[in-house]
Amino acid sequence: AQSVTQPDIHITVSEGASLELRCNYSYGATPYLFWYVQSPGQGLQLLLKYFSGDTLVQGIKGFEAEFKRSQSSFNLRKPSVHWSDAAEYFCAVGAHGGSQGNLIFGKGTKLSVKP
Amino acid sequence: KAGVTQTPRYLIKTRGQQVTLSCSPISGHRSVSWYQQTPGQGLQFLFEYFSETQRNKGNFPGRFSGRQFSNSRSEMNVSTLELGDSALYLCASSLTQGSSTDTQYFGPGTRLTVL
Repeated sequence: AQSVTQPDIHITVSEGASLELRCNYSYGATPYLFWYVQSPGQGLQLLLKYFSGDTLVQGIKGFEAEFKRSQSSFNLRKPSVHWSDAAEYFCAVGAHGGSQGNLIFGKGTKLSVKP
Repeated sequence: KAGVTQTPRYLIKTRGQQVTLSCSPISGHRSVSWYQQTPGQGLQFLFEYFSETQRNKGNFPGRFSGRQFSNSRSEMNVSTLELGDSALYLCASSLTQGSSTDTQYFGPGTRLTVL
């Protein structure tokens, strides 16, 4: 069965520091991978997605993620964190032929940013 | 263009009652998905509708049902509410169903509290 693991429940970084959020997936075929962000009281916003091709994916707000098939990972990175990046981040895998209508999410990583 | 709207934003019900939540997708979007978000289970897929037909369904009891209208608006219904149904219910829309390249846009959610 497909699954997504985000090993870090909560991460705190200083403003201006680099960030890496980890995501590991289990999927029998070529995965379709997504990162979403959720601010308090808000819905989910798509940061970036990977379907095929270049394994380094650029997203919005200066985020990028790298797909590593050998490690079954899709880690999210940002070179310099801003206070406004404080939110919860979810990694997800597409479960049926790439349809985004049926996503399996990880449990999320809450990011806190120190001034 | 207006985003995904969900009504009501907050709802308080008692055990045994039933509830109906509404979702209006982005204009032109034909696919609507529903997710339940709880602190314990995280984000879980409920169902996906496209062209008034349920295309995918998650692992939820039959008390959870939904429908989609010809204008793509969707409702979900939960009958015989249980305390464990307290959650944030998120709706997401995309242009088409089963398309890998479509972005899924989420609404702000309906916070349901069951007392």
